[in-house]
Amino acid sequence: AQSVAQPEDQVNVAEGNPLTVKCTYSVSGNPYLFWYVQYPNRGLQFLLKYITGDNLVKGSYGFEAEFNKSQTSFHLKKPSALVSDSALYFCAVREANTGKLIFGQGTTLQVKP
Amino acid sequence: DAGVTQSPTHLIKTRGQQVTLRCSPKSGHDTVSWYQQALGQGPQFIFQYYEEEERQRGNFPDRFSGHQFPNYSSELNVNALWLGDSALYLCASSWRGGSSYNSPLHFGNGTRLTVT
Repeated sequence: AQSVAQPEDQVNVAEGNPLTVKCTYSVSGNPYLFWYVQYPNRGLQFLLKYITGDNLVKGSYGFEAEFNKSQTSFHLKKPSALVSDSALYFCAVREANTGKLIFGQGTTLQVKP
Repeated sequence: DAGVTQSPTHLIKTRGQQVTLRCSPKSGHDTVSWYQQALGQGPQFIFQYYEEEERQRGNFPDRFSGHQFPNYSSELNVNALWLGDSALYLCASSWRGGSSYNSPLHFGNGTRLTVT
């Protein structure tokens, strides 16, 4: 069975500092990985995806993610955090034959001024 | 270009009642999926509709049912509501005509259901 783990419930970072939100996955076959962000009382917004190709994926709002096959990780990164980045972040893996997304538990990112 | 729209935004129901939630997919999308997000949890897949048929189903009881209309919009019905059904219900749309695993799902803002 495919699964995703986000080991940190919350990440705190100062504005202007780099941020990392961690995600590890367990899949059989090729991983199709996604990051979504959720603001309070809103749905999920797509940030970026890894399907194949370069291990460093660039996405929306200056976010990027690094795919590491040997460590089965797909960590979300941003070089310089903004207060407006504060939100709930979800890592997800997509089942190729069904299109279903399997989400992690989510990580709350708090960026302090 | 309208994204995924869901109605209503909030709903309060009593245990044992029935509820219907509605979703209109993003323009150009033909596949609708429903997810349940309990407080403090990641979304859980309920089911997916394509060509007016349920194509995939997650681990949810038969009390959860759905429908897709010819214009691709969809409904989620939940019968005999439990307190545990209180959650944010998210609708997501995509285009199945492409590689289903490649195109990201587009989510609506959800319907917050409270069962008392």
